[in-house]
Amino acid sequence: AQKITQTQPGMFVQEKEAVTLDCTYDTSDQSYGLFWYKQPSSGEMIFLIYQGSYDEQNATEGRYSLNFQKARKSANLVISASQLGDSAMYFCAMREGGGSQGNLIFGKGTKLSVKP
Amino acid sequence: DSGVTQTPKHLITATGQRVTLRCSPRSGDLSVYWYQQSLDQGLQFLIQYYNGEERAKGNILERFSAQQFPDLHSELNLSSLELGDSALYFCASSAGATLADTQYFGPGTRLTVL
Repeated sequence: AQKITQTQPGMFVQEKEAVTLDCTYDTSDQSYGLFWYKQPSSGEMIFLIYQGSYDEQNATEGRYSLNFQKARKSANLVISASQLGDSAMYFCAMREGGGSQGNLIFGKGTKLSVKP
Repeated sequence: DSGVTQTPKHLITATGQRVTLRCSPRSGDLSVYWYQQSLDQGLQFLIQYYNGEERAKGNILERFSAQQFPDLHSELNLSSLELGDSALYFCASSAGATLADTQYFGPGTRLTVL
């Protein structure tokens, strides 16, 4: 079973509007972390935002916020006031707390296109 | 700029050859991770080192090996290369290996095997 599911392969949003990118996860660990990364066409992976499983408040970083619904196992990324530079692939990732592994498990990504 | 450097940026080689990818983590980061990104497999974790020691292994082929040196830079060695090894290889680093330690990615090395 997939640990991270991103159901939207591609999305369009009008410039200056808000957009939500969906992410659901599957883990039996109580402790885990959820991350979002942006990959522009140039290829680099840019860290956007982090949410810990025990964090009670939704994480926010500038125009990015994470809508964390623990019971539903979802961690959706909300981008407010979209800009043309937001056009990129967006990856949701999880890090599980059990064991000593620190690696990230990635979803397949959502390609966001911002229209002028 | 994440502070993680990777060289080379591009690498073109032939099947059966061996290559070495190099990574320098952010200053002060002890943990280094290698990931492979391909069209069919997506982003896959290969291996993790923490302060010079191997910490975790993912979907790393036996033909691949890595190490982290005392100065904390890391190298990923790929041998007996096959066409299917063509991919973008990322190195990432983090201060530690706890849940909240953010992994910062380097720009990647794009490997093309002909």
